[in-house]
Amino acid sequence: QSVLTQPLSASGTPGQRVTISCSGSSSNIGSNAVTWYQQLPGTAPKLLIYINNQRPSGVPGRFSGSKSGTSASLAISGLQSEDEADYYCAAWDESLNGYVFGTGTKVTVL
Amino acid sequence: QVQLVQSGSELKKPGASVKVSCKASGYVFSDYALNWVRQAPGQGLEWMGWINTSTGKATYAQAFRGRFVFSLDTSVSTAYLQISSLQSGDTAFYYCARVVGSWYFNLWGRGSLVTVSS
Repeated sequence: QSVLTQPLSASGTPGQRVTISCSGSSSNIGSNAVTWYQQLPGTAPKLLIYINNQRPSGVPGRFSGSKSGTSASLAISGLQSEDEADYYCAAWDESLNGYVFGTGTKVTVL
Repeated sequence: QVQLVQSGSELKKPGASVKVSCKASGYVFSDYALNWVRQAPGQGLEWMGWINTSTGKATYAQAFRGRFVFSLDTSVSTAYLQISSLQSGDTAFYYCARVVGSWYFNLWGRGSLVTVSS
């Protein structure tokens, strides 16, 4: 059972803005950087956002991340059909002394 | 080309063992630790632990202590995951991933599917 909680699903029409939340605690998000991974259907996860709000080269600017206290959010502005995927937040957890992933959110483009 | 190339699918019977490989190329192997992540069919990502590619020291998540062993062959820039006494619950994709500084994985293998079935 993951210690980072995400909504099971999110959806929107093309062009809309979609936000995904990630709720943790003081031992993980509250004290460490948050990462977001995107997993397209049938593929390996891919780094999407690192250190809370940094985008690797090649990741479109419509993806943005933020963190406040023990929660984090991923926003997709201008949703596109190719954004249909599973999204996972992750962070190091000091209490578990290990890396934890969120429960995952499936984004559907209507 | 910077990449992690994993071994192919495996079909094993309950009680058997399996060894999955993850070969790094395009960068200095010992510069980055490698992690292992499990994903059961239709399920989320689960961190299994990591191995220091300089020292060979392995650290396991609580749920993966006992039957799971991480190892290296630095001469061929390859990390291994061995699972013994396989159970049906071990059926999953196993990914290796390179970790960077502030604990994020910036390079992933394509995954190795291990199926445990009689």
